[in-house]
Amino acid sequence: DAGITQSPRHKVTETGTPVTLRCHQTENHRYMYWYRQDPGHGLRLIHYSYGVKDTDKGEVSDGYSVSRSKTEDFLLTLESATSSQTSVYFCAAARDSNTEAFFGQGTRLTVV
Amino acid sequence: AQKVTQAQTEISVVEKEDVTLDCVYETRDTTYYLFWYKQPPSGELVFLIRRNSFDEQNEISGRYSWNFQKSTSSFNFTITASQVVDSAVYFCALSNPDSGTYKYIFGTGTRLKVLA
Repeated sequence: DAGITQSPRHKVTETGTPVTLRCHQTENHRYMYWYRQDPGHGLRLIHYSYGVKDTDKGEVSDGYSVSRSKTEDFLLTLESATSSQTSVYFCAAARDSNTEAFFGQGTRLTVV
Repeated sequence: AQKVTQAQTEISVVEKEDVTLDCVYETRDTTYYLFWYKQPPSGELVFLIRRNSFDEQNEISGRYSWNFQKSTSSFNFTITASQVVDSAVYFCALSNPDSGTYKYIFGTGTRLKVLA
């Protein structure tokens, strides 16, 4: 696997507060991804990165921003958390875009 | 448009039965990659298999087998002699690196329950 670590693993936050989730990988993979998992929707892509400082939006990017200043770290920020952003967030990393992606253990975020 | 459809939301089988999980994909690209992942109750996502669009050979790994058919745009997953430990949510995914994007598109998943 790609040695992917997500932090925190669990978080409860209040509506309107900013939240940052961190993804760290140890294998120097070029591509990194943030997905959210919700019942009935499977895994939906929020944002992804194809290199340092190179990012692009996924299908559910509204209300989220990302940053990648180093190969190993990919941050997901909820600018002003809403209850609809209560979800399980998964980070993934891939060596190339045609290889398998490896996932972190997930972060359960609850917005109250 | 790229899309992955897993029409089976939930399947229940009795232990030792064979079960097939369906995956249908849509893409306009000739080069693409298909994947299966397993998500056990513990929640992590475990990579199972990767297949490229030029390799239509079926794959077998122990009790697991995969049938890739370009003619029907399907990449189905069969578990033979299912066991309780196979209970999980299974996801099929598609990537199209030649399209200039680098996304993995996932289906909505199939929850498999294997009853003892």
